[in-house]
Amino acid sequence: TQLLEQSPQFLSIQEGENLTVYCNSSSVFSSLQWYRQEPGEGPVLLVTVVTGGEVKKLKRLTFQFGDARKDSSLHITAAQPGDTGLYLCAGVASGSARQLTFGSGTQLTVLP
Amino acid sequence: EAQVTQNPRYLITVTGKKLTVTCSQNMNHEYMSWYRQDPGLGLRQIYYSMNVEVTDKGDVPEGYKVSRKEKRNFPLILESPSPNQTSLYFCASRLDRLNTEAFFGQGTRLTVV
Repeated sequence: TQLLEQSPQFLSIQEGENLTVYCNSSSVFSSLQWYRQEPGEGPVLLVTVVTGGEVKKLKRLTFQFGDARKDSSLHITAAQPGDTGLYLCAGVASGSARQLTFGSGTQLTVLP
Repeated sequence: EAQVTQNPRYLITVTGKKLTVTCSQNMNHEYMSWYRQDPGLGLRQIYYSMNVEVTDKGDVPEGYKVSRKEKRNFPLILESPSPNQTSLYFCASRLDRLNTEAFFGQGTRLTVV
């Protein structure tokens, strides 16, 4: 079993729709990060959330860190084809040797 | 330009033939890691290093070796590759502090036949 569980694994939507991706764990995390990966490239950081309950916005993307620091969500408003990609959550669990653990990823496809 | 460089990008090899994938970063980062990426499993950490001569096992270390003799380089060694090591491999580096961004190389697609 993975430390970070992401859902859904696949998501295909029409341009203009809203969506939410979830990242859940039974462990407490010092911080959670969201990365986006495009084919043939390594993941690239979108955001880091640090404080329980924190909400960060990046244009049409809204990231939230759960109050207990065990989960996070990514909400995209009015999705566009350029949002297509693999979204990965990652975190450093409290008490770990600064190991960055990744979730299984959500493959998002936005159709024009 | 700040970057992590992996080589080669693509590699096809035969079972049992030793190989090394190189990784180099120019950001003076203390922390470096190797991950493998397989469909539906996300990125799983193989080994990590917190500084020169300090390495430790990640979640899936079996069949792999690493070394960290210089701060900038962190090669991944497969002494006797097997087909179940066919995967997409990523090297990453970051500052050894909480909440810092991980920078990734472009990946090495390895096929073991």
